[in-house]
Amino acid sequence: GAVVSQHPSRVICKSGTSVKIECRSLDFQATTMFWYRQFPKQSLMLMATSNEGSKATYEQGVEKDKFLINHASLTLSTLTVTSAHPEDSSFYICSARNRFSYEQYFGPGTRLTVT
Amino acid sequence: GQQLNQSPQSMFIQEGEDVSMNCTSSSIFNTWLWYKQEPGEGPVLLIALYKAGELTSNGRLTAQFGITRKDSFLNISASIPSDVGIYFCAGQRSNDYKLSFGAGTTVTVRA
Repeated sequence: GAVVSQHPSRVICKSGTSVKIECRSLDFQATTMFWYRQFPKQSLMLMATSNEGSKATYEQGVEKDKFLINHASLTLSTLTVTSAHPEDSSFYICSARNRFSYEQYFGPGTRLTVT
Repeated sequence: GQQLNQSPQSMFIQEGEDVSMNCTSSSIFNTWLWYKQEPGEGPVLLIALYKAGELTSNGRLTAQFGITRKDSFLNISASIPSDVGIYFCAGQRSNDYKLSFGAGTTVTVRA
C-alpha cells in the first residue's frame, strides 16, 4: 500500500516552454500533496503544499505564477513549470499524505532538463 | 522548511559494521521520520516516530525519538551492501504536516 506515482519520470524541454508533471496516489486518498525540488547532492526543499479543492500554498521564494499547482481530486496533483529556463532543471518530487495518517509517501521523482 | 542538522554527512563502513546517524533541531517536532533515497529515485519511508522517547525497530534499523523532541537517531546493525544510499531525517509538526529535512547522510559500504 501507499504507492505514489509520478509522470513523466524524465522530461527534456526547450527554454520558454511549459512542462506538466503529474503526481498520483494509487491506493489511498491524499488530502494533501507536497511538491519538492532537489538539486544534485542536496536535500529536498519544499516548494508548495497542495490541498484538494483549494489553492496551493507556496514556500517563501517560490513563484506561484511560475510553478502552477492543481489538486483537482484526492488522488491527483499536477505541477506545471511555466516558461521553463535552464535554472529550473532539477529533480522534482511529490509526496502524498494519507488523510488518516501523518506519514508522507514519496513519488519516484521527475528529472526535468531545460535546454 | 527549516533545515535540520544531520550528521555525519557521509560514512564509509565495512560490511557487517553497525551504523549510527543523528539529527538535531533547534525547535520541537511532533513526528520524526527517516527516509532512504537511492540515486534517481524518490525517498522511501523507513521508520516513523510519533512519541518522545519512542524507540522503534524495522528489521536491522532502529530509530529513537529524542525525549526533548528536538532530536532523533537511526542505527543500522550489521550493514550489508544494499544499505548503500542517502539517509534523510525529517521532522514534522502536526499543524501543517510539512516536513523539514536534514542534509542527508551518504552511506557507502565496502564489501
